[in-house]
Amino acid sequence: QVHLVQSGPEVKKPGASVKVSCKASGYSFTDFYIHWVRQAPGHGLEWLGRVNSNSGDTKYEKKFQGRVTMTRDTPISTAYMELSSLQSDDTAVYYCTRAHGDNWFDSWGQGSLVTVSS
Amino acid sequence: SYVLTQPPSVSVAPGKTAKISCGGSNIGNKPVHWYQQRPGQAPVLVIFYDTDRPSGIPERFSGSNSGNTATLTISRVEAGDEADYYCQVWDTPGDHWVFGGGTRLTVL
Repeated sequence: QVHLVQSGPEVKKPGASVKVSCKASGYSFTDFYIHWVRQAPGHGLEWLGRVNSNSGDTKYEKKFQGRVTMTRDTPISTAYMELSSLQSDDTAVYYCTRAHGDNWFDSWGQGSLVTVSS
Repeated sequence: SYVLTQPPSVSVAPGKTAKISCGGSNIGNKPVHWYQQRPGQAPVLVIFYDTDRPSGIPERFSGSNSGNTATLTISRVEAGDEADYYCQVWDTPGDHWVFGGGTRLTVL
């Protein structure tokens, strides 16, 4: 059974960075891309970008380019998302999700709450 | 960039049929996927490739896609179907993934 387990909640001050992890199990990690999606309180889903779990190649939403970095560590089947220069409107639940090809997201992590507050 | 438009809310009585729309320019030419998100939980895939259901999703959930509108249909609605529903596509020209704004389904 596919499982994506994310790191715990974080509280950061404005201007700081946060790094969220996503540990995969139950499948061959390098066979699927990992995407990151966030959801601000009371808002909808927003795509941040994706990492090729095999090659490490990345694609980021334009809005986050220069501020987001997605990496992976294949020996431990873990993907990471680091977001820098945090502001209050970055407060959100951040999800990792496994992509089936270039299409749908078939498994999701439990979410990691990142709170940005002075 | 590509925009998906959903109604903010849909209400339906138990046992009736709910239809949630997802509008986009020529969306009928793109595969559309749907997610259910209950409060405080992660999204769950309920329809992929316009009409296909993952294992474990009831047959009451179905989808269609044509022209400028994709639709998620939930037949014989139950109280447990109350949730937010999101449509999603891969925008190939921009090579990015797009979600609709979400629809809150209320079971009366």
